[in-house]
Amino acid sequence: NAGVTQTPKFQVLKTGQSMTLQCAQDMNHEYMSWYRQDPGMGLRLIHYSVGAGITDQGEVPNGYNVSRSTTEDFPLRLLSAAPSQTSVYFCATQGTGTKGNTGELFFGEGSRLTVL
Amino acid sequence: AQSVTQLGSHVSVSEGALVLLRCNYSSSVPPYLFWYVQYPNQGLQLLLKYTTGATLVKGINGFEAEFKKSETSFHLTKPSAHMSDAAEYFCAVKGLGSNYKLTFGKGTLLTVNP
Repeated sequence: NAGVTQTPKFQVLKTGQSMTLQCAQDMNHEYMSWYRQDPGMGLRLIHYSVGAGITDQGEVPNGYNVSRSTTEDFPLRLLSAAPSQTSVYFCATQGTGTKGNTGELFFGEGSRLTVL
Repeated sequence: AQSVTQLGSHVSVSEGALVLLRCNYSSSVPPYLFWYVQYPNQGLQLLLKYTTGATLVKGINGFEAEFKKSETSFHLTKPSAHMSDAAEYFCAVKGLGSNYKLTFGKGTLLTVNP
């Protein structure tokens, strides 16, 4: 049982390049989200989805795009990378189990992105 | 709207000493509260959570936290620190009306000295 899988783990981009961070989950969770983690800033929500075909903006959505065509996958696209997007990105999921939704997030191991 | 404040971005303790990491929250509705731990170069994993019922919550690795509604606090404690406890700790809150979204504090880095 893999849980939440993020790829790639490391990536270096040049300013203006585009790329996609992949997130896949095998827990059948309806909720998927992307956070970025920066020193001293904690985790900030970029985008989230409550199900296939449904996405919404979080706290810091500018410069990022998402889609949710399946329950399992939630890719994060950087349209034109900027140095300010240098960060560690985490995908996190949440589901409703037999006891209902207790709010627990399950995290991937992170993707470290450097934009030069 | 809900928010989380973690007092102290860096806490340093000696091995065997008490660990106390502070978390205060604001929420317009009774919250769900969480502590997550992040070891170097890893993702976050759940340490413990409060949803309903007993206000003293026990988690993994000997940690516990107490929900105090009157003080809007959810401080994390461990009686005796171990070197392996060195990590960053995040407090998070979820209001009952916010469906899935969690709001995180900025984190506290715990250093354990031999």
